[in-house]
Amino acid sequence: GAGVSQSPSNKVTEKGKDVELRCDPISGHTALYWYRQSLGQGLEFLIYFQGNSAPDKSGLPSDRFSAERTGGSVSTLTIQRTQQEDSAVYLCASAGGYEQYFGPGTRLTVT
Amino acid sequence: AQTVTQSQPEMSVQEAETVTLSCTYDTSESNYYLFWYKQPPSRQMILVIRQEAYKQQNATENRFSVNFQKAAKSFSLKISDSQLGDTAMYFCAFPVSGGSQGNLIFGKGTKLSVKP
Repeated sequence: GAGVSQSPSNKVTEKGKDVELRCDPISGHTALYWYRQSLGQGLEFLIYFQGNSAPDKSGLPSDRFSAERTGGSVSTLTIQRTQQEDSAVYLCASAGGYEQYFGPGTRLTVT
Repeated sequence: AQTVTQSQPEMSVQEAETVTLSCTYDTSESNYYLFWYKQPPSRQMILVIRQEAYKQQNATENRFSVNFQKAAKSFSLKISDSQLGDTAMYFCAFPVSGGSQGNLIFGKGTKLSVKP
């Protein structure tokens, strides 16, 4: 079956622009996570959706970051007014139980 | 605070030999799972092995096994008969809220190179 997919694979944007990153989880998985992976900080949790519950946004680094999950499936992570420190790989994972299945990530480069 | 420490940024091993990656953690939770994830150059994180903290028996998955010392909060990964395809970053992780689910806290990773 299909795994977690993310698009785009790579994104280069200019400082100050907004970007949207997409995640298609495994069908039927109720949990969806966004993580950020950067050289200096390692892997950091951003946001967690579980079913119809209010998302856990405790990892979002600033109010420039937001995420939605429509219909309990696809999720979009939006970064407004991008800064150079936002350059990183953004990983999405979905889970139906204890195991989180990760997508290949989106590499974001802010110039 | 919940923490995960991987003290070996890089390691190398000869093909067919055994290597052990270390991980220590800190949590106030009493029931939790621990995980080792592998990230090859393709970037896709893959679960290697999990350990349930309430189980005393160390988990084993084919060539991968763990040495879990709950009192010491230590969770090392042993790879036997190393193969070239084991070359990757390895991350130790556990759910920050305990249990088996929820967002994970990760160590900084160990970069493992398997040499022919």
